[in-house]
Amino acid sequence: RKEVEQDPGPFNVPEGATVAFNCTYSNSASQSFFWYRQDCRKEPKLLMSVYSSGNEDGRFTAQLNRASQYISLLIRDSKLSDSATYLCVVTLSSARQLTFGSGTQLTVLP
Amino acid sequence: NAGVTQTPKFQVLKTGQSMTLQCAQDMNHNSMYWYRQDPGMGLRLIYYSASEGTTDKGEVPNGYNVSRLNKREFSLRLESAAPSQTSVYFCASSDWWGDNEQFFGPGTRLTVL
Repeated sequence: RKEVEQDPGPFNVPEGATVAFNCTYSNSASQSFFWYRQDCRKEPKLLMSVYSSGNEDGRFTAQLNRASQYISLLIRDSKLSDSATYLCVVTLSSARQLTFGSGTQLTVLP
Repeated sequence: NAGVTQTPKFQVLKTGQSMTLQCAQDMNHNSMYWYRQDPGMGLRLIYYSASEGTTDKGEVPNGYNVSRLNKREFSLRLESAAPSQTSVYFCASSDWWGDNEQFFGPGTRLTVL
């Protein structure tokens, strides 16, 4: 079983739609959680951290469910520029290394 | 600031050839990393350097060596390339070891025939 699992998609949604991605992680000792964004043939960039209480950054909302070992990313009012691959990332406090999921591809259609 | 730069951007090698991928950062970061990205696999850590003068193996170190030349530069060497090393290689840096935000270079697309 992969340490971090994501639905690869692709998710194709119209502009203005709301879309949600889930990610599950296998190690209950995972400490920190993030979403990175990777545009086609580009490098990954940090989108947002995920806190236990949930957090919001504009149109983006991230949630963490430790009991079920999953995190989610909600994008409201999708824009064409949101088209990218979204990478779920977790760390163990002991290892202090980022463990990446394989990503979920989103295409926002005009 | 250029951030993290990598050379070359593309490379084609024959099996058994060697090459070095170069990485440099101008953010005065202490920690640097090398990842490979394969379809359906996510990014996997090859080697890292928590601070200048130290290097450690990551998840998939076999077939690679690294050198932390100075605080700015971290190179990755393939001594005898194999087709299984065909991948996209990303270098990254962070302010300190364990810092959760890593800054990535643009990547090197390597094909081994």
